Amino acid sequence: AQKITQTQPGMFVQEKEAVTLDCTYDTSDPSYGLFWYKQPSSGEMIFLIYQGSYDQQNATEGRYSLNFQKARKSANLVISASQLGDSAMYFCAMREGTGGYQKVTFGTGTKLQVIP
Amino acid sequence: EPEVTQTPSHQVTQMGQEVILRCVPISNHLYFYWYRQILGQKVEFLVSFYNNEISEKSEIFDDQFSVERPDGSNFTLKIRSTKLEDSAMYFCASSWGTSGSKETQYFGPGTRLLVL
Repeated sequence: AQKITQTQPGMFVQEKEAVTLDCTYDTSDPSYGLFWYKQPSSGEMIFLIYQGSYDQQNATEGRYSLNFQKARKSANLVISASQLGDSAMYFCAMREGTGGYQKVTFGTGTKLQVIP
Repeated sequence: EPEVTQTPSHQVTQMGQEVILRCVPISNHLYFYWYRQILGQKVEFLVSFYNNEISEKSEIFDDQFSVERPDGSNFTLKIRSTKLEDSAMYFCASSWGTSGSKETQYFGPGTRLLVL
């Protein structure tokens, strides 16, 4: 089974609109961390937002928020007021386990295109 | 803002040659990682490194690969005898800790390796 599933290979959004990128995860470990990264066409991986499995509140960072639904094992990224510069690949990722395990597993990504 | 740096940005090599990819992690970070991304595919974990030793590695990280922290700032990935299938973008990452928001891994801009 896939650890991280991103079912939307591509998405379009109108500039200034909000968009939700879906991510579901699979783990039996009670301790895990969830991340979203942005990869523009230039190739670098830019950290956007983090959610810990024990965090009570949904994470927010500026225009990014993470809709964390633990029981459904989903961690959707919401981008508000989309900008042209938001056009990129977006990866959901998870670190699971305790004892210092740090391996992060990535999903296959969603390509977001913002339309003027 | 502190960032992870990587050199070179691009490397072209002949099959069978040795390559060394270099990284300077964020200065107060304690955990270091290498990932790779074959063109058009998802990011894959290679290895994590802490306290001058490997703490976790994937099945990709075979005897052809090695990592080293030769001084207080650099972190290197060596591929002893490159194969065509080693062609990929290689990302270095670092994190401060392994729990809570400290576990967030910050990525460098990547080294694009092409093996001919």
